[in-house]
Amino acid sequence: EVQLVESGGGLVQPGGSLRLSCAASKFTFTTYWMSWVRQAPGKGLEWVANIKQDGSEKYYVDSVKGRFTVSRDNAKNSLYLQMNSLRAEDTAVYYCARDADSGSYFFDYWGQGTLVTVSS
Amino acid sequence: SYVLTQPPSVSEAPGQTARITCGGNNIGSKSVHWYQQKPGQAPVLVVYDDSDRPSGIPERFSGSNSGNTATLTISRVEAGDEADYYCQVWDSSSDHRVFGGGTKLTVL
Repeated sequence: EVQLVESGGGLVQPGGSLRLSCAASKFTFTTYWMSWVRQAPGKGLEWVANIKQDGSEKYYVDSVKGRFTVSRDNAKNSLYLQMNSLRAEDTAVYYCARDADSGSYFFDYWGQGTLVTVSS
Repeated sequence: SYVLTQPPSVSEAPGQTARITCGGNNIGSKSVHWYQQKPGQAPVLVVYDDSDRPSGIPERFSGSNSGNTATLTISRVEAGDEADYYCQVWDSSSDHRVFGGGTKLTVL
């Protein structure tokens, strides 16, 4: 069964930085787009960013453009999210999700999430 | 950007049929996907491409999509179906994935 395990969350002050990681296993990582999706406490899901199989294309929700960077290391089967200039509104559980191998753009597997808290 | 509108809550008695709607401008022209999220857990895909079910999802879960409304239908509702449900589409104009605000299903 596909496994996605996030790490790197924690408490950070406003304006600070954090790097999230997602370790993927039990599937061919190099053949899938990958995404980050977040969920603020008590709120709904929000897609944050995604990255093409070879890293050549990346897309971001407007609220994180210029502050967050998605990347991947296919040799390590890992996905990353570098988060800079963090704000209180970035507080959320961040999920790593696999984009389905389909032309319809949905998420077929999710990790369990890692909590990021931005607070002084 | 493309907006998806869901009712905040839906309630249904066990054994009945629950219908959760997802509204969007000409959503019938898009592929709609649905996720179930139970408290403290990650979302799980329950319907994709409007009406297809991933393996392991009961046939009680079905979907439809036409005009400006997509619908997730849960037949013979069980206590274990109580969860938040989210619809999702791909917005081709921005190349962004978009979620609805979510609907909390309460089984009475």
